[in-house]
Amino acid sequence: NAGVMQNPRHLVRRRGQEARLRCSPMKGHSHVYWYRQLPEEGLKFMVYLQKENIIDESGMPKERFSAEFPKEGPSILRIQQVVRGDSAAYFCASSPWTSQGGGYTFGSGTRLTVV
Amino acid sequence: KQEVTQIPAALSVPEGENLVLNCSFTDSAIYNLQWFRQDPGKGLTSLLLIQSSQREQTSGRLNASLDKSSGRSTLYIAASQPGDSATYLCAVIFQGAQKLVFGQGTRLTINP
Repeated sequence: NAGVMQNPRHLVRRRGQEARLRCSPMKGHSHVYWYRQLPEEGLKFMVYLQKENIIDESGMPKERFSAEFPKEGPSILRIQQVVRGDSAAYFCASSPWTSQGGGYTFGSGTRLTVV
Repeated sequence: KQEVTQIPAALSVPEGENLVLNCSFTDSAIYNLQWFRQDPGKGLTSLLLIQSSQREQTSGRLNASLDKSSGRSTLYIAASQPGDSATYLCAVIFQGAQKLVFGQGTRLTINP
């Protein structure tokens, strides 16, 4: 079991470009969560998705950020027109069933640097 | 507001000491609490998961306790080693929510 796979591990974008972050959950997991960790800060929830559905996006900035988890393929976190303040580590986690049971597994993260 | 707080923010102790990391949460209505370890520039490794009905969990030199009524959890590390140096994160799933809420973490340094 390869665990939660995130790619790329590191991503450099110029201001105004688009960033696409990918997350493949663990085999058998149908719940995906995205978190952001700003430098020297804790992890902040962004969005919770199940296959083809956004369940909770209360942590997503209202503009420029979007997420999807299609029927086939990885979950994608998309940031349009990136700004310096988007520089952070973005972590994906997955769980096998309803999140209340716990058992989250995290990926190694994508470190986005906006120059 | 449902929040998780960890104290201290940083801790430095000599090798071999036993130590306790603290976590507090604002609402006692939780589903579970999880302790993670994060090494610099790395992802999160799950250490212990405590369901709301449990009082503690143990794994090797680690023991985590949960006191829902007081909104507290502790992570006890016995016989600390330099390899234990990392940031330790406490996270809670509050009832009515479907996401982990994290504390800011405690950065632990074990000095040889």
